[in-house]
Amino acid sequence: LAKTTQPISMDSYEGQEVNITCSHNNIATNDYITWYQQFPSQGPRFIIQGYKTKVTNEVASLFIPADRKSSTLSLPRVSLSDTAVYYCLVGDGRAAGNKLTFGGGTRVLVKP
Amino acid sequence: EPEVTQTPSHQVTQMGQEVILRCVPISNHLYFYWYRQILGQKVEFLVSFYNNEISEKSEIFDDQFSVERPDGSNFTLKIRSTKLEDSAMYFCASSPPGTGGWEQPQHFGDGTRLSIL
Repeated sequence: LAKTTQPISMDSYEGQEVNITCSHNNIATNDYITWYQQFPSQGPRFIIQGYKTKVTNEVASLFIPADRKSSTLSLPRVSLSDTAVYYCLVGDGRAAGNKLTFGGGTRVLVKP
Repeated sequence: EPEVTQTPSHQVTQMGQEVILRCVPISNHLYFYWYRQILGQKVEFLVSFYNNEISEKSEIFDDQFSVERPDGSNFTLKIRSTKLEDSAMYFCASSPPGTGGWEQPQHFGDGTRLSIL
């Protein structure tokens, strides 16, 4: 199981772009990268998933360099409601039903 | 958007008592999971369930724990004799069948806060 390393916390201000980089040096060929968001007293919520290059949805963008040893979650123009813990997970995409292994995540605080 | 629902939102139980946590996964999902999160700590995997049997379980999921899908909609976690250290948020999750490509994301409920006195 590929280990992930991400910053413990980040502060930002409303309207700014937040970029969270996750290192996963021993990512395997069949591993995909997934980011979840967790608000206090709520369950984790899927944000975005990718394998390589760039993925964008209505919430975020995910940048993955060619060597796939890291990935960057980009949250454009954050608001106070984006204050949450963000988790980077790496897992085998070949089989459905695999468990998720969460690390400590990055606690993002958006200030007014 | 369909969601995973969990009941109750908060359960207070005396140590040694049995507790059942309930979940209604998203209707077309086939994979079901329980996770827990002790206050201030990481989300930890407990068990996964597919085709009416346990697919994988963690070391935490000992003989005091059991899961069941008693009908076509509910998915339950039972703790037979609760201990103080079982106090945590318990999250149920579900995911749809794989598409032959990448694994489908897991959808989480908002959890049951279990407090053991």
